[in-house]
Amino acid sequence: DTGVSQNPRHKITKRGQNVTFRCDPISEHNRLYWYRQTLGQGPEFLTYFQNEAQLEKSRLLSDRFSAERPKGSFSTLEIQRTEQGDSAMYLCASSLAQGMRDGYTFGSGTRLTVV
Amino acid sequence: AQSVTQLGSHVSVSEGALVLLRCNYSSSVPPYLFWYVQYPNQGLQLLLKYTSAATLVKGINGFEAEFKKSETSFHLTKPSAHMSDAAEYFCAVSPDNAGNMLTFGGGTRLMVKP
Repeated sequence: DTGVSQNPRHKITKRGQNVTFRCDPISEHNRLYWYRQTLGQGPEFLTYFQNEAQLEKSRLLSDRFSAERPKGSFSTLEIQRTEQGDSAMYLCASSLAQGMRDGYTFGSGTRLTVV
Repeated sequence: AQSVTQLGSHVSVSEGALVLLRCNYSSSVPPYLFWYVQYPNQGLQLLLKYTSAATLVKGINGFEAEFKKSETSFHLTKPSAHMSDAAEYFCAVSPDNAGNMLTFGGGTRLMVKP
C-alpha cells in the first residue's frame, strides 16, 4: 500500500469553471476526510465519510462544493463555479474507524489555483 | 468547541540547538492531541500523538511532547535541531476518540540555521 493518493497534484482553472479532485485512501481505512488549507494557515475540516456515508459537513462546505464516496473506497470533491477564494490546498486523509488511536494518514494534497 | 493556539508563527534556531514549539489548546473534555509536520508542497505527516496514556510522548525524528493539563499545553521539543527539521509544524486537537475531525492551529514554521 502506497498511502493516501490524491490526483491531480496541481490544478489551475479559470474562475467559473468546475473542478473535481480524487482521493484514494489506504485500502483498509473506512474513514475518509477532506480538509482545506490556505496559504499560511492550518488545515480546516470540510467533511468526512465512514464507508460511503457522509457523516459530517462543515459550514465551510458551501453549496458549490460536493463530495462523494460512492463505493466506500475512493472519494471525489467537486467545486462548481470556482471563485478565486477557492484557491487552496485540498487535503485528503484516511483512518480506521476506531478513533484517534492511530491518527490520520494524509495525502500530499491537490493545490488549486483559480485565475 | 475546541481550539488550538500556536505561539510564534516563525521560529529560528541554529543547527544543534534546542527546538521548542509551543501549543496551547482549549477543550471542554480531555483532548487527544497531535503534532504534524509538513514539508513544502507535501501533505501532513504525524509526528506524535497524546491519547490519554503517558503524558510524555515520544515521536519520530527525535521529537517529543509533554501534555500538561494544568497549563493546557502540549509543547513540542527536540534536543538538537537538524537542518532536515526545517518545515511547518501543526498542533491539532480532537475532542474525543471518535475521530470525527481535527482542529488545527495556525502552524509554526521552523527555520534551522547552519
